[in-house]
Amino acid sequence: AQSVAQPEDQVNVAEGNPLTVKCTYSVSGNPYLFWYVQYPNRGLQFLLKYITGDNLVKGSYGFEAEFNKSQTSFHLKKPSALVSDSALYFCAVRALHSGGYQKVTFGTGTKLQVIP
Amino acid sequence: NAGVMQNPRHLVRRRGQEARLRCSPMKGHSHVYWYRQLPEEGLKFMVYLQKENIIDESGMPKERFSAEFPKEGPSILRIQQVVRGDSAAYFCASSPPGPGNTIYFGEGSWLTVV
Repeated sequence: AQSVAQPEDQVNVAEGNPLTVKCTYSVSGNPYLFWYVQYPNRGLQFLLKYITGDNLVKGSYGFEAEFNKSQTSFHLKKPSALVSDSALYFCAVRALHSGGYQKVTFGTGTKLQVIP
Repeated sequence: NAGVMQNPRHLVRRRGQEARLRCSPMKGHSHVYWYRQLPEEGLKFMVYLQKENIIDESGMPKERFSAEFPKEGPSILRIQQVVRGDSAAYFCASSPPGPGNTIYFGEGSWLTVV
């Protein structure tokens, strides 16, 4: 069964410092990996995805993520955090399920708090 | 291209009533997903549908809940005889076919059962 782990419920970082939100995954085949951000009382917004090719993926709002196949990780990063980045972040993996369809699995979410 | 449209955005129902949530996917998207989220919690997968077919309903309670995505019209998530524990935000998402395509979310429908 495929799974996604976001080991940290909350990450605190000072404004201007680099941030990392961790994500590891487990799938049988090739993974398609996604990051989303959710602000209070809003839907999830797509940030970036890894499909194939360059392991470093750049996305919206200055975020990037690095796909590491050997460590089965897809950590979200940003060189300099903004207070407005404070939100809930979800990692997701999409891969072929034994039922013959592409199953999507989301992590439990990581709350990012950027401290002024 | 309009985003994923959900309505109503807010719905209040008394215990025992029915709640019907609608989702219009983005144009060209034939795959629809429904998720439930409690305050300060993660997403709970409910059901995955393609046009006229339920692909995966492993996350949906066997009783009182049903979902459909007809050939024409929006996808509907129906909750019969609502209870207080059904109070949550319900999110719909859609994508085109193909594993690498992005799944886009609606802004959610907030159900309150009183």
